[in-house]
Amino acid sequence: DGGITQSPKYLFRKEGQNVTLSCEQNLNHDAMYWYRQDPGQGLRLIYYSQIVNDFQKGDIAEGYSVSREKKESFPLTVTSAQKNPTAFYLCASSMTGDQPQHFGDGTRLSIL
Amino acid sequence: AQKITQTQPGMFVQEKEAVTLDCTYDTSDPSYGLFWYKQPSSGEMIFLIYQGSYDQQNATEGRYSLNFQKARKSANLVISASQLGDSAMYFCAMRDTGFQKLVFGTGTRLLVSP
Repeated sequence: DGGITQSPKYLFRKEGQNVTLSCEQNLNHDAMYWYRQDPGQGLRLIYYSQIVNDFQKGDIAEGYSVSREKKESFPLTVTSAQKNPTAFYLCASSMTGDQPQHFGDGTRLSIL
Repeated sequence: AQKITQTQPGMFVQEKEAVTLDCTYDTSDPSYGLFWYKQPSSGEMIFLIYQGSYDQQNATEGRYSLNFQKARKSANLVISASQLGDSAMYFCAMRDTGFQKLVFGTGTRLLVSP
């Protein structure tokens, strides 16, 4: 089945530690995205990538980094500079144009 | 800047009845797209329906329809014949100018009772 796989489902971070969230898609989509969702809120865009080896900052990129070395993969690193990382993180992908974005099942990140 | 407003934090409906979830938007771009997503308690975002700004007819997908009123800048989701499985958060979103980046509203929690 084609889809988007996010791992792990739950992640805990210690103070001062960087952690990486995985996102893999086998839909052959060009564009990929990372969103953050806080309780009772909508989604806010962290980073997005239209093609391999290219990505742009979204609305809340500070404290995060990404890479896009392969079309299928768009990992997100939450760095120690992100002071309030506890949230639900969703990865999405889409074809270019007006096609809807398809989402993974998300990763819940908490601070130890 | 583009903005999506969902003014209903929560809605209740009885099974088999229809329900309308409100969404208003703000943009100066003549070309845009509007989306509705469903988020069950498990967390995944499920795409429901899409409406393009130049579409002449309101979008429909099974029990979901979009009441698109361009002059009023509203894109309300109508769910007909509600089912218990429809209980979830519902988000309205707009495609950003120039790219597929989505701007989301704060969501409406729908509870369907037997």
